[in-house]
Amino acid sequence: AQSVTQPDIHITVSEGASLELRCNYSYGATPYLFWYVQSPGQGLQLLLKYFSGDTLVQGIKGFEAEFKRSQSSFNLRKPSVHWSDAAEYFCAVGAQGGSEKLVFGKGTKLTVNP
Amino acid sequence: DTAVSQTPKYLVTQMGNDKSIKCEQNLGHDTMYWYKQDSKKFLKIMFSYNNKELIINETVPNRFSPKSPDKAHLNLHINSLELGDSAVYFCASSQRGSLADTQYFGPGTRLTVL
Repeated sequence: AQSVTQPDIHITVSEGASLELRCNYSYGATPYLFWYVQSPGQGLQLLLKYFSGDTLVQGIKGFEAEFKRSQSSFNLRKPSVHWSDAAEYFCAVGAQGGSEKLVFGKGTKLTVNP
Repeated sequence: DTAVSQTPKYLVTQMGNDKSIKCEQNLGHDTMYWYKQDSKKFLKIMFSYNNKELIINETVPNRFSPKSPDKAHLNLHINSLELGDSAVYFCASSQRGSLADTQYFGPGTRLTVL
């Protein structure tokens, strides 16, 4: 069964600094990979997703993620963080040809200092 | 226009009571989901319905019963509420239920069982 690990529970960065949130997955075949963001008191919003092709994926709000098969990773990056990026970030994996369900990591809380 | 809406937003109730949470989507999607997010922010799928048919039914106590009167609505009824049911419940929808389709989440219902 697939699983997702987000090693960092909480990350604090200064506004304008770069950001990288880590995500490692466990799955035998090529997975579907997703990053979602949850602002306080809100539902989840899709930032980006990877199915195949170019391993560098661009998303909304200036985020990007890179799929590295050799490292089983799908890290999320942003070159310059804004205060409004403070939120909880979830990595998720889905199995191709499987039960079509998403398995989420436990999330990384991002705090942005002014 | 709210794409995926849930009612109520907050629900506080006593142990042993029966309660329902309602979800509606106006996106014309065929598939709807219920997720549970626990106090540690861990998000896990409970059920999915495609065109009113149950597709995913994770290991959930049978006190939880989803009902889909039509493909725009998916309600969650919970019998004999327990303390451990306290969580945020999210409804989501997607076009066809494929992982290639983006899932759109509602704002969540925070259930507190006293």
